[in-house]
Amino acid sequence: DIQMTQSPSSLSASVGDRVTITCQASQDISNYLNWYQQKPGKAPKLLIYDASNLETGVPSRFSGSGSGTDFTFTISSLQPEDIATYYCQQYDNLPPSITFGQGTRLEIK
Amino acid sequence: EVQLVESGGGLVKPGGSLRLSCAASGFTFSNAWMSWVRQAPGKGLEWVGRIKSKTDGGTTDYAAPVKGRFTISRDDSKNTLYLQMNSLKTEDTAVYYCTTLVVSAFDIWGQGTMVTVSS
Repeated sequence: DIQMTQSPSSLSASVGDRVTITCQASQDISNYLNWYQQKPGKAPKLLIYDASNLETGVPSRFSGSGSGTDFTFTISSLQPEDIATYYCQQYDNLPPSITFGQGTRLEIK
Repeated sequence: EVQLVESGGGLVKPGGSLRLSCAASGFTFSNAWMSWVRQAPGKGLEWVGRIKSKTDGGTTDYAAPVKGRFTISRDDSKNTLYLQMNSLKTEDTAVYYCTTLVVSAFDIWGQGTMVTVSS
């Protein structure tokens, strides 16, 4: 199975800061990498799909990049409502295998 | 409104069984690939399994920890997804989410239903 290494596990930043989270796959996954936001007590929400595509309705301060094994998720200017845990997720079709990163808990400084 | 609503969670003893349901509305359920994702208390997300649309074969795939114990099925006439869980273990304790699976991403999520496996 493909393993996903997400870092950091937690992050504290100030409003307006640029925030970056990385995810590394144990083997080439092309661009089959998605990013989710999960607020406490709520279901996850898809933000970025196929590494760099912004889901409809998601603010443009969120972005993603990368391909192969190394991926980056960025919030260009942190807002108070962005406090959440963020997860990366890979998809491998042969055989079907879907794994999530360990998550990054984002807090306001 | 696009919506997924899970039900059927509860407390069950180790070795027991439980069936979860997920009622879909606001989209063409029969065309959708569907999946279950779970989250143990205070832990991260874990994929449980998926079912393709009948048009695409209706086949199922499962994560290794649940293979042979869990079964995903669908009733397109009722717009409902199911998760039959047998031989439950304490480590199956989690919130179970129903989701749509669009190519590689989990697009629409339900609110989740809690399953507790404890004696």
